[in-house]
Amino acid sequence: GENVEQHPSTLSVQEGDSAVIKCTYSDSASNYFPWYKQELGKGPQLIIDIRSNVGEKKDQRIAVTLNKTAKHFSLHITETQPEDSAVYFCAPILSYIPTFGRGTSLIVHP
Amino acid sequence: ETGVTQSPTHLIKTRGQQVTLRCSSQSGHNTVSWYQQALGQGPQFIFQYYREEENGRGNFPPRFSGLQFPNYSSELNVNALELDDSALYLCASSLPGVLDEQFFGPGTRLTVL
Repeated sequence: GENVEQHPSTLSVQEGDSAVIKCTYSDSASNYFPWYKQELGKGPQLIIDIRSNVGEKKDQRIAVTLNKTAKHFSLHITETQPEDSAVYFCAPILSYIPTFGRGTSLIVHP
Repeated sequence: ETGVTQSPTHLIKTRGQQVTLRCSSQSGHNTVSWYQQALGQGPQFIFQYYREEENGRGNFPPRFSGLQFPNYSSELNVNALELDDSALYLCASSLPGVLDEQFFGPGTRLTVL
């Protein structure tokens, strides 16, 4: 979506390294910030989300941080594994519309 | 618990034709949203259905229309197909009337020749 920017577009890491993907959005009224993982031939799967009343949320190797003032949120994956290889999308709700970024292709090399 | 299912998985149509895609929502979800995902892009929101009525629409022309049935299943209809309509069409279900925490189906791959 034109009001959502996601970086980088491609991220290549070695197994065990950390990966960080950043999403910048334009609507200051947004209050729901999810990350989706899409594997080849499948629909997107929600992996973690955060709401505007918290700054960070963690679920095992995955975390999301939110900076509402700067209007960006980031996905952090630690101890990456080959099965983490996929396309990741941020999808904040802007003006009541889920607005997906262009995606980040994460490649984890064994 | 049954996940979101879509049919058909693949479809080939020619320009000017009409197409109907189908979606069954996850058990307990009465809200269904439809998305178009062009190759190499993120999904784009088409519209949402809640209680059998359209409840929010993205930037798509009126030839994209939908229906939701009493059992919460849904259809996406596209009239006067154009070459640019070639894409993966995704259906997502969620809890009543909300857009967050969506659960996506595997999609229908539409090719327009």
